[in-house]
Parts: sequence; C-alpha cells; structure tokens
Amino acid sequence: DGGITQSPKYLFRKEGQNVTLSCEQNLNHDAMYWYRQDPGQGLRLIYYSQIVNDFQKGDIAEGYSVSREKKESFPLTVTSAQKNPTAFYLCASRKGSDTQYFGPGTRLTVL
Amino acid sequence: DAKTTQPTSMDCAEGRAANLPCNHSTISGNEYVYWYRQIHSQGPQYIIHGLKNNETNEMASLIITEDRKSSTLILPHATLRDTAVYYCIVTKTGTASKLTFGTGTRLQVTL
Repeated sequence: DGGITQSPKYLFRKEGQNVTLSCEQNLNHDAMYWYRQDPGQGLRLIYYSQIVNDFQKGDIAEGYSVSREKKESFPLTVTSAQKNPTAFYLCASRKGSDTQYFGPGTRLTVL
Repeated sequence: DAKTTQPTSMDCAEGRAANLPCNHSTISGNEYVYWYRQIHSQGPQYIIHGLKNNETNEMASLIITEDRKSSTLILPHATLRDTAVYYCIVTKTGTASKLTFGTGTRLQVTL
C-alpha cells in the first residue's frame, strides 16, 4: 500500500525536551516537506529537501532540525529552542515538478 | 507566488453543486492554480490543478477565467463528506516550490 506515513498520530512532550516526528514515503518521491499548522490557520513551511543529504530552511525553521539520510525518510526534530511547539505537523512529498501529497499529520502537544 | 483571496465560509445543500470561487489577480504566466481540501484533523488532500484550460477529474471541475485572474472549483454533487476547508493555491512548478496555504474557504454541506 503506497503512500506517506507519519508517526505517531498524537505526541505529548514536556517542556525542555526534544522530540522527533517520523515521516516515511514509499512513492519514490524526490522532494519532501515539513509544514506546521496552528488552529484556524493555513500551513507554514518549516524545512524541505529536494534530494538525499540536502535540505533547506523554510519560513519558520527556527527551533527545528531535519535530516535526509534516505530518500524514503525525512524526520523532523522539534528542539527545546522552539518557543511554541504545540501544533499540527504535516509532511508532504513530491516527484519532480508533480503535485505535493500529504501525510495524515502528527499532533504535538507540549505539557 | 501570487496571493489568493477566498470567501471565509460557504454553505451548500447535499446533492447540489458547490461552487467555490478564488481570486488570484496577480497570477503570472507560469503559475498554476491548485486546489486542496482539508477535513478536520487530517492532512490536506489534492483535488485538481490547472494552468489556463478548464480541468475535470473524478472529484471536481476547475474553471479558470480567460484572463486567469480568478477560478472556480466545482463539486458537482456535494455530499456531507465534502464538508472541509478548501484551499486555492497559486504556485510555479518545476522547482521544489513550497505551497502557500491561506485560511481557505470552510464549506459546510447540509442535509
């Protein structure tokens, strides 16, 4: 079954802790993206990667880090430096200049 | 990417056509119009996209005006499952372009 998977669906974190969100795709897509969505708002780009071992900052990269060691995987780490990490996080992927497709999302709550 | 303007909310009776407008008066010649929708607490779902010709697929039709300054997404027979936030996005392709999501139109389909 092809697609984009994100795990976990819900994640709780204590203040001051780093946490890593998983994003995996088996669509053979080259580019992968991380977006953040706050209640009632649109999506904002955090990081994106066009190829393995390369990634670029998006509009709101501060407090986040990523890696792209494999084509299929693009994990996002929310560090303790992120001031307001509670949000809905969405991963997407795209092949070439084709359409972006999104995963189901991870809802992160900081306690 | 060009800015888009959409109504905040719309209602539609089940079984009727839902016509969602979008203004993109500053669109440039190489920018496409994309439509996504997001059902509550899920990842955005791709619906359709087009450059200048009208497009139709199994989900919807996209009508783009001749001057390309506005477009309309048509859901021909809306159902309760079509209740969602609909996003109109203008973006270039051929790059790892981010998608700029505004706040979209909240479509409520009622019995």
